[in-house]
Amino acid sequence: KQEVTQIPAALSVPEGENLVLNCSFTDSAIYNLQWFRQDPGKGLTSLLLIQSSQREQTSGRLNASLDKSSGRSTLYIAASQPGDSATYLCAVRLWPGNTPLVFGKGTRLSVIA
Amino acid sequence: DVKVTQSSRYLVKRTGEKVFLECVQDMDHENMFWYRQDPGLGLRLIYFSYDVKMKEKGDIPEGYSVSREKKERFSLILESASTNQTSMYLCASSRQGRSGGLGNEQFFGPGTRLTVL
Repeated sequence: KQEVTQIPAALSVPEGENLVLNCSFTDSAIYNLQWFRQDPGKGLTSLLLIQSSQREQTSGRLNASLDKSSGRSTLYIAASQPGDSATYLCAVRLWPGNTPLVFGKGTRLSVIA
Repeated sequence: DVKVTQSSRYLVKRTGEKVFLECVQDMDHENMFWYRQDPGLGLRLIYFSYDVKMKEKGDIPEGYSVSREKKERFSLILESASTNQTSMYLCASSRQGRSGGLGNEQFFGPGTRLTVL
């Protein structure tokens, strides 16, 4: 059974730092991987989707990488801002893509001004 | 922009009541999902649907049912609400993948915080 782990569970950094959030998964036969952001008491906002054939995706200050063989993905946030404070979740979908997403429990990020 | 809306942001019900949670998406997505989210347990899939009138059980379907009579609307029903169903409920939708299936980017609604007293 696919398991998705995000370590650390919580992270606190000063404003302006570049930071990396980690996601690992046990079954490397994935169809795609999606990163989400969740603000307290709100729904999830899709940040980036990486297909299994891709190595990375970028959106603004965010860059997500995927290494299927090692079962890892990272979300890189450049020049962090207080507004980046939120919980970040990753989720994977197994090949051939007809199964629901499996979610990690998230990393709660605090960016201190 | 994809929009997924949920009928209520906050809901308070009494034990034993029948509860309806409604979800509507405006992007003609084939797939729709219901999750619940609890501290320490993360997101857990209750039910999903890949077409009108079709439904599949997720990881925790007990105590819930669903209805999908129209493509844009997916309803979650608690037949007899219990206190252990107090939770944040999240609806999501996605377009069907190229070869069918659930494989495209998934979009979420704002959530409904349900309290059962």
